[in-house]
Amino acid sequence: GNSVTQMEGPVTLSEEAFLTINCTYTATGYPSLFWYVQYPGEGLQLLLKATKADDKGSNKGFEATYRKETTSFHLEKGSVQVSDSAVYFCALRPFSGGYNKLIFGAGTRLAVHP
Amino acid sequence: EAQVTQNPRYLITVTGKKLTVTCSQNMNHEYMSWYRQDPGLGLRQIYYSMNVEVTDKGDVPEGYKVSRKEKRNFPLILESPSPNQTSLYFCASSPTTPGLAAFLHYEQYFGPGTRLTVT
Repeated sequence: GNSVTQMEGPVTLSEEAFLTINCTYTATGYPSLFWYVQYPGEGLQLLLKATKADDKGSNKGFEATYRKETTSFHLEKGSVQVSDSAVYFCALRPFSGGYNKLIFGAGTRLAVHP
Repeated sequence: EAQVTQNPRYLITVTGKKLTVTCSQNMNHEYMSWYRQDPGLGLRQIYYSMNVEVTDKGDVPEGYKVSRKEKRNFPLILESPSPNQTSLYFCASSPTTPGLAAFLHYEQYFGPGTRLTVT
């Protein structure tokens, strides 16, 4: 079936550190891939997305590349800020057998300290 | 402002007392969905609706009902809540399109969440 696996958190970093949050997926065909962010007390917001192999999504200094060969969509940022503290969810939308929903990973909490 | 709204934001209730969580969107989206968020499990889909009067079960529909009488509203109904329905609930919406490929690429817009506690 379709599934998403994220690295467990929490991830704790100092300001300006490099961030990587790993995400791997299982799906048939070519799903669309997303990263959503949830700030404290808020709903989920789309951070970035990629819809085909080798696509790179980017937004607010975050990047992720759709790697079909390793079935991965790792999130990276070169220099994190305190304001990046949030929970990050990797998600996929299957091409078949369930395209009507997003399938989420468990989420990774990021805490950035000054 | 384009948004998805949910009410109430917080609710504490007792086992068996029927409740409704409302969801409304002002973006004229055809597709709407309900998810629940539990620690370590991410978000799981409860029900979804592809358009007015068209609803279907998601992955965890037991104990829930929905209706879609108008395009903008998609209420979630718990006829007889139980403690295992204590969770954080999110409503989401997105546009659809006659072409499946384009539909797959659309993001979903989420409401702010409703934290429900059933004692």
